[in-house]
Amino acid sequence: DADVTQTPRNRITKTGKRIMLECSQTKGHDRMYWYRQDPGLGLRLIYYSFDVKDINKGEISDGYSVSRQAQAKFSLSLESAIPNQTALYFCATSDFAGEEETQYFGPGTRLLVL
Amino acid sequence: GENVGLHLPTLSVQEGDNSIINCAYSNSASDYFIWYKQESGKGPQFIIDIRSNMDKRQGQRVTVLLNKTVKHLSLQIAATQPGDSAVYFCAETLENTDKLIFGTGTRLQVFP
Repeated sequence: DADVTQTPRNRITKTGKRIMLECSQTKGHDRMYWYRQDPGLGLRLIYYSFDVKDINKGEISDGYSVSRQAQAKFSLSLESAIPNQTALYFCATSDFAGEEETQYFGPGTRLLVL
Repeated sequence: GENVGLHLPTLSVQEGDNSIINCAYSNSASDYFIWYKQESGKGPQFIIDIRSNMDKRQGQRVTVLLNKTVKHLSLQIAATQPGDSAVYFCAETLENTDKLIFGTGTRLQVFP
C-alpha cells in the first residue's frame, strides 16, 4: 500500500546488533502500529501510538522499542537482535474517526537474525 | 516466496465456485470485526468489516456473517477467482479499544 511505506523491505542482521525499521505514512492518520507475523500465526501487536506523544506496549513488546518522530513516522528498534526475532514486521495506521476503524498496512519488512 | 501461512488451514475451491471461510472469536466483548486478505509478499489488505450490532454485511462479491451467539464469523466470496488466492485473516476489536486481535488465518487456493 503506497500510503504506508516501510524501509527496509528486507534485512539480514547478526545476533546482538541494533537495527531500526522505519515506517512512514501519507494518510494523515494519528494512530500507528507495529506488528510481527510468524509462520502459522496471525499478526501480533508489538507497540502502538495514538499520537506523537503517546506510546503504548502491545502484546509482545519485550526486546523492542519505538519512536514516534512525527505524525507520519513511527520507527521500531531491536536493541540487541536475537534469532527468535526473525519474522515479518508490519506497520499499520488507522484514523479511528466515527465508523472508520480499519487499519491500513504497509508492505512489510522481512527480518532475518543470524 | 513468503513463509506466511506455511502451516495454515487451507481451503481449495474451483474457479467460479463460492468460498466460505470461517473464523471463531473468543471474546464476547468484541464489537468490531474485520476480514483481511494477505497476498504473498504483501501486507494485509482490508476486505470488509462488520459491527456487532449487525449480523450480515455485503460488499462486492463478498459477504460477512456474524453469529454472536456462537462467536462465529464467516466470509463468503461469490464466484471465486484466481486473484482471490491468498491468506485470509479475521480480526476483532474489543469494545472501546483500538487494538486488533488477529486470527491465525486460512489459505484460499483457487484452481482453474
